[in-house]
Amino acid sequence: QSALTQPRSVSGSPGQSVTISCTGSNTDVGGYSYVSWYQQYPGKAPKLMIYDVSKRPLGVPDRFSGSKSGNTASLTISGLQAEDEADYYCCSYAGTYTFRVFGGGTRLTVL
Amino acid sequence: EVQLVQSGAEVKKPGESLKISCKGSGYSFTSYWIGWVRQMPGKGLEWMGIIYPGDSDTRYSPSFQGQVTISADRSINTAYLQWSSLKASDTAIYYCARAPSLAGTLDQWGQGTLVTVSS
Repeated sequence: QSALTQPRSVSGSPGQSVTISCTGSNTDVGGYSYVSWYQQYPGKAPKLMIYDVSKRPLGVPDRFSGSKSGNTASLTISGLQAEDEADYYCCSYAGTYTFRVFGGGTRLTVL
Repeated sequence: EVQLVQSGAEVKKPGESLKISCKGSGYSFTSYWIGWVRQMPGKGLEWMGIIYPGDSDTRYSPSFQGQVTISADRSINTAYLQWSSLKASDTAIYYCARAPSLAGTLDQWGQGTLVTVSS
């Protein structure tokens, strides 16, 4: 099972919005509503930011939102802040053989 | 407070065996799945497998099937990831994470265990 495809890097200025895409197939992203997004700072464990495509865990700012269209999921961060600079990974359930697949990760730079 | 606390960093030689742990607290350990994720140096996250401590139902990623063994001891709220013969390519940080269901999201993560395999 190939990793989900994410852009290697995105950037934006404080206050702007950025969107990170996550492209899979109809056997993972397109086939289930179990897409999640994780934020990871260097040297730290990943942190859940979005689950079930568009749900936010308690404590995650509403600047973070998720969506899905066909085989592509997206994470949008609005009102960019310096603290948002991190790596972001998408993850999807992929059925009863592979179970889960991660994206390759996207480095977000806040200019 | 929900916590997953992993065992400390390990330095091993190729061919040696290893078992690392992940201890859950602050929730019903037997009611959630525990997954394992690998992150090689400077690389992304890779799904390894998952176990349900309630009945030890275990599923592996095809990429890791036969390469590692996942187990759990529900009497001490601890899940394990083990290798019988390490390779240099096993050098990585290994994370455990909790999931409410087999397909559900990984909602709480351990701090990670760095495994270094070098001769």
